[in-house]
Amino acid sequence: GQQLNQSPQSMFIQEGEDVSMNCTSSSIFNTWLWYKQDPGEGPVLLIALYKAGELTSNGRLTAQFGITRKDSFLNISASIPSDVGIYFCAGPVLGGYQKVTFGTGTKLQVIP
Amino acid sequence: GAVVSQHPSWVICKSGTSVKIECRSLDFQATTMFWYRQFPKQSLMLMATSNEGSKATYEQGVEKDKFLINHASLTLSTLTVTSAHPEDSSFYICSAYAGVHEQYFGPGTRLTVT
Repeated sequence: GQQLNQSPQSMFIQEGEDVSMNCTSSSIFNTWLWYKQDPGEGPVLLIALYKAGELTSNGRLTAQFGITRKDSFLNISASIPSDVGIYFCAGPVLGGYQKVTFGTGTKLQVIP
Repeated sequence: GAVVSQHPSWVICKSGTSVKIECRSLDFQATTMFWYRQFPKQSLMLMATSNEGSKATYEQGVEKDKFLINHASLTLSTLTVTSAHPEDSSFYICSAYAGVHEQYFGPGTRLTVT
């Protein structure tokens, strides 16, 4: 199946540090989506990637669509306390028409 | 724009009773909505796709008779958990489809079955 594995599973960082996380799959994806979920809330879309090799930024966040189409990366620069949350990658389900599948998630905690 | 609400935000019910959760797209129309379930420290798992004016389609392993979905209008989908049991306790999240790979998520409903 189209499983999306994220690493690291969780991380503690100091405020101001940069963060990198990745998402890998055994299947090819044509779209990569990155979401953030705050505790007790639904996910919010951060960045969408549509082309292999694409690099897209949203403020301090930068995501890249891996050239193999089997991975994607999310970087957060100069982390702040409100970056705390769980970051999910997601991709469209093959033949699933509008459905997406979510990765395992990376829990980020920022130490002030 | 693109706001999705859920009601209630949390609910506690007794085992054997039924619970209805509403999902509304407030400022756009959605012919398709999705229902997810999220257990603690886990990812979102798609339960079913709710289609306005037609039957919902369920993911493998999700009991359609237990999780009743009604998409009565272009802005409202409901999920009814029938004969709830403690193992149904979870965080239920809906989303509304608004365009190519654009899904807007509701804030979720925390269900606790005692």
